[in-house]
Amino acid sequence: DAKTTQPPSMDCAEGRAANLPCNHSTISGNEYVYWYRQIHSQGPQYIIHGLKNNETNEMASLIITEDRKSSTLILPHATLRDTAVYYCIVRVFPRGNTPLVFGKGTRLSVIA
Amino acid sequence: NAGVTQTPKFRVLKTGQSMTLLCAQDMNHEYMYWYRQDPGMGLRLIHYSVGEGTTAKGEVPDGYNVSRLKKQNFLLGLESAAPSQTSVYFCASSSGTGGLPQHFGDGTRLSIL
Repeated sequence: DAKTTQPPSMDCAEGRAANLPCNHSTISGNEYVYWYRQIHSQGPQYIIHGLKNNETNEMASLIITEDRKSSTLILPHATLRDTAVYYCIVRVFPRGNTPLVFGKGTRLSVIA
Repeated sequence: NAGVTQTPKFRVLKTGQSMTLLCAQDMNHEYMYWYRQDPGMGLRLIHYSVGEGTTAKGEVPDGYNVSRLKKQNFLLGLESAAPSQTSVYFCASSSGTGGLPQHFGDGTRLSIL
């Protein structure tokens, strides 16, 4: 699986968009980009995933660059409840038997 | 809709004691997983199951046993607890399609003295 690089921490004002970057320059053609988050003392929560095209769901948007070497998770209107550690994971799909490698992620602090 | 439920949420054990952690999911998922998370580290896979009656080892299986007698339940056992097994344990489940995304429980915080 391709290695990912994320900034260790970011701040965002409440109500503003939070843009979380992820570099995955060694990504291969059949690898997807997944985003999870872990709110303090809770289990990781799936957010969104994509292969090439931009994706949007009720939680967030995922923007993947044309060369697929980086991506950005966008929380359009961040709230205090979005304070969490966000993990970018690159994985081949399908590959259900192998572990998720979460790395250290980005600690997002949403400030009132 | 409960999702993935872990029991108990907290437990303190003495070295050498045994216990079983229970994971239950109500999403009819085929795959179930047990992870542990230590401070400042990512999740590490202990054991997993691809269906009822089947189990397999993950990255760090030593000292743990598992059973999947029913599709909705995945049990993690510690036969003789050791201080090195102090951790937060997360259970997850996923559908059979690619095994992602995984849905996680809220964890069991286990301390072994």
